[in-house]
Amino acid sequence: DAGITQSPRHKVTETGTPVTLRCHQTENHRYMYWYRQDPGHGLRLIHYSYGVKDTDKGEVSDGYSVSRSKTEDFLLTLESATSSQTSVYFCAISESVQGDGYTFGSGTRLTVV
Amino acid sequence: AQSVTQLDSQVPVFEEAPVELRCNYSSSVSVYLFWYVQYPNQGLQLLLKYLSGSTLVKGINGFEAEFNKSQTSFHLRKPSVHISDTAEYFCAVRPSGGSNYKLTFGKGTLLTVNP
Repeated sequence: DAGITQSPRHKVTETGTPVTLRCHQTENHRYMYWYRQDPGHGLRLIHYSYGVKDTDKGEVSDGYSVSRSKTEDFLLTLESATSSQTSVYFCAISESVQGDGYTFGSGTRLTVV
Repeated sequence: AQSVTQLDSQVPVFEEAPVELRCNYSSSVSVYLFWYVQYPNQGLQLLLKYLSGSTLVKGINGFEAEFNKSQTSFHLRKPSVHISDTAEYFCAVRPSGGSNYKLTFGKGTLLTVNP
């Protein structure tokens, strides 16, 4: 979607290595989210941010950390990748407007071997 | 907390047939409801949303959904589907008040439209 980009789009990494995924927005939205999508589980929230340097955990945060030093960038780091973290990762943004939905990025397909 | 149940994980239909994708939610507070669509190898796009007012909501691509508060449901419908509607569909909910903007998603329904 216009205004939100994820990088890289695809990545293969080895077990035990650190990995950082980037989400960049040009919409100046306050809220940013990281989800993972797995068959049979739908989308599960990993971490979210409600402002610069303000982040909080979602339902599946173990093994992940995030940082947001600028409004436009939200980074997701896998400290030591495991095979269970093989997934498709989506970033989303929203504005603090009642009734606002999310705008999603195109996703990052991560494979941990 | 909110939860969403999409009652069918897969729905196969023939082209030009009607379709209904079912969604039930649970919440102790008033909610906003959303349907998203995900085409293969793409991100999610907003189809439609219910915030307030008329319980029948119309979205893009000829889809509509009806909010039923007594049955806590928000089923998605289309009177005649096309091959291009083949995709995964997600129902989502969030509280309508307060500062919680987090969406809770269902597990998705894969709609396959066959010729």
